[in-house]
Amino acid sequence: DSGVTQTPKHLITATGQRVTLRCSPRSGDLSVYWYQQSLDQGLQFLIQYYNGEERAKGNILERFSAQQFPDLHSELNLSSLELGDSALYFCASSVDPAGGPSDTQYFGPGTRLTVL
Amino acid sequence: QQQVKQSPQSLIVQKGGISIINCAYENTAFDYFPWYQQFPGKGPALLIAIRPDVSEKKEGRFTISFNKSAKQFSLHIMDSQPGDSATYFCAASAGYSSASKIIFGSGTRLSIRP
Repeated sequence: DSGVTQTPKHLITATGQRVTLRCSPRSGDLSVYWYQQSLDQGLQFLIQYYNGEERAKGNILERFSAQQFPDLHSELNLSSLELGDSALYFCASSVDPAGGPSDTQYFGPGTRLTVL
Repeated sequence: QQQVKQSPQSLIVQKGGISIINCAYENTAFDYFPWYQQFPGKGPALLIAIRPDVSEKKEGRFTISFNKSAKQFSLHIMDSQPGDSATYFCAASAGYSSASKIIFGSGTRLSIRP
């Protein structure tokens, strides 16, 4: 158990809909990362937040957005969903956002999103 | 230039054998190279990591070999066991940057045959 929690575990929805994925980082970790894992794209970095502020952006679509709240939990919002958005979405957390010696990212168990 | 190329895509090794997974990168600013292990239904977990000031790092049966001039690094699993069957991801990041982000390889699905 990494200490990172994600809800829900599974999510099934229809095209055009909007969903929210939730992540609680490990106690003490200030940085949260979101990743998308699909069979053909591997593990893709989406976005990083540090202590409530966006810190780095990866291959995140405009239909997707995220935020980190004062209690450090984070939410990933996916809207106008398409079939191709079906994937595993992972959240990870780390202490140090700047890639220092404590750069280890601890991954949650993921949310499996199925868009029908 | 931000890519990390990983091979092979899948690998089958007999129990007790050596599993070798290779990665290559182009961005010379990368200075942190972790390997993550992912079991089915679980999130990736850090296995071992290296920085470019050393050419090799060993932790138990797992060894990272790093070739800075060739911009390549590899994971060696000695005495491979069925419990090592998982997907392995190499990664790289340019550390010490406020916008540090890790770039993952495409993954290698390793199967250890008993």
